[in-house]
This record gives sequence, C-alpha cells and structure tokens, in this order.
Amino acid sequence: EPEVTQTPSHQVTQMGQEVILRCVPISNHLYFYWYRQILGQKVEFLVSFYNNEISEKSEIFDDQFSVERPDGSNFTLKIRSTKLEDSAMYFCASSESHYGTDTQYFGPGTRLTVL
Amino acid sequence: AQTVTQSQPEMSVQEAETVTLSCTYDTSENNYYLFWYKQPPSRQMILVIRQEAYKQQNATENRFSVNFQKAAKSFSLKISDSQLGDTAMYFCAFLPLTGNQFYFGTGTSLTVIP
Repeated sequence: EPEVTQTPSHQVTQMGQEVILRCVPISNHLYFYWYRQILGQKVEFLVSFYNNEISEKSEIFDDQFSVERPDGSNFTLKIRSTKLEDSAMYFCASSESHYGTDTQYFGPGTRLTVL
Repeated sequence: AQTVTQSQPEMSVQEAETVTLSCTYDTSENNYYLFWYKQPPSRQMILVIRQEAYKQQNATENRFSVNFQKAAKSFSLKISDSQLGDTAMYFCAFLPLTGNQFYFGTGTSLTVIP
C-alpha cells in the first residue's frame, strides 16, 4: 500500500537556525498538508497546499514558516529561524482531493527538537 | 469555529474485552466528516474509521464501530475484542465539508492489558 514518507525522522537544531522538513506524498495525491503535535498536546493543522499554492493556513503558520513543492515528488516545510516552542512532531499528510471521502494519509512524522 | 473534545485522557481495557472512547464536537456546520485516527507508539497516524454526517447509519470496520449522535454532537468509538495491537493514542477528528483542515481532539491513550 502506498505511504507518505518523511525525512528525517528526528532533527535536532539550535535556536535561530533554519530547518527544512521533507515529505514525499503519495504519488497520485494532489493535496498536501502539514500538522504539528507538541508533546502531550493535540495535533494542530498548519497548512494545506494545492496546485503549487497555499489553500489554507492556521494562525500558527506565520512568516517563519513556508512550504514548497520543489519538484514532482517532494513537499517541504521550512522554518526560517527556529524557536524553542517549535519543538514538536511534524506530520505531513496527503489526499487525492479535499473532500472528506478522500482520506488524508499521514506520514510517520519528524520529531524536531530545538535547543 | 470547530472544537473537538475527548474527555478521557487515558483508558485501559483487558484483552478481548470491549471499550468505548468518547468524543464530542461543536460546530455550526450541517455537513461534515468525522474520523478516528490511531497513533501507535511508532507515531504514524492511521485512519481507523470515518463517518459522513449525512449518513444516519453508524460506520463499522471489523472490530471498530462508532456511535454517531448528530443532534448530541457525539461520536464515540467502540473497540470490540480488544487486542494488544490496539494499544495506541486515539484521536477523534472533524473535517468540514467545505474545508480541508482537520480539527483534532487531544487524544485518548488506550492500553490493552494482557
């Protein structure tokens, strides 16, 4: 069964550094998402992406964050200047369409630790 | 705004027994989808079951079933014949028909005891 993959599984960085989290969505999917889960808290939506542009974003997704689909397979989340509170598990997801009948498939996550 | 509430942070169940996880939500939408996702210790979230709000019939997937009460805005998950592999964090999630942003609850950590 096709899967969403994410790299790296764990990223450690110093506060103020830039990080790029990478995702490879399922190949025929057109909608892509990033979520984050701070330890012990609920999963929070960050952004959705379709047709090479952001279709929806939450208030968490401020100017420090950006997303990109640099080629036909990767979908990246960049945090320009990391803060301690960015430490979280970041999940990528993809779906064929944006309708609820099409499931969002989640990747295994990248654990980001900001020191 | 949509909110999803899971009032049971932790639950446990004996292997082979049945357990019900609670979820309530608040929305002004009339059409939407509800989901239960399972997040095992490996951390990859897996879809357990999905319910369309316009369907009155409760969704069932093998040992997993839901009790969807639209008027009460309640969406509980019943796991029958619990197995050790069911040990995980379970998230209830809401998806508006017209949006693509999931709203998640805080999760219920379920432990199946041998």
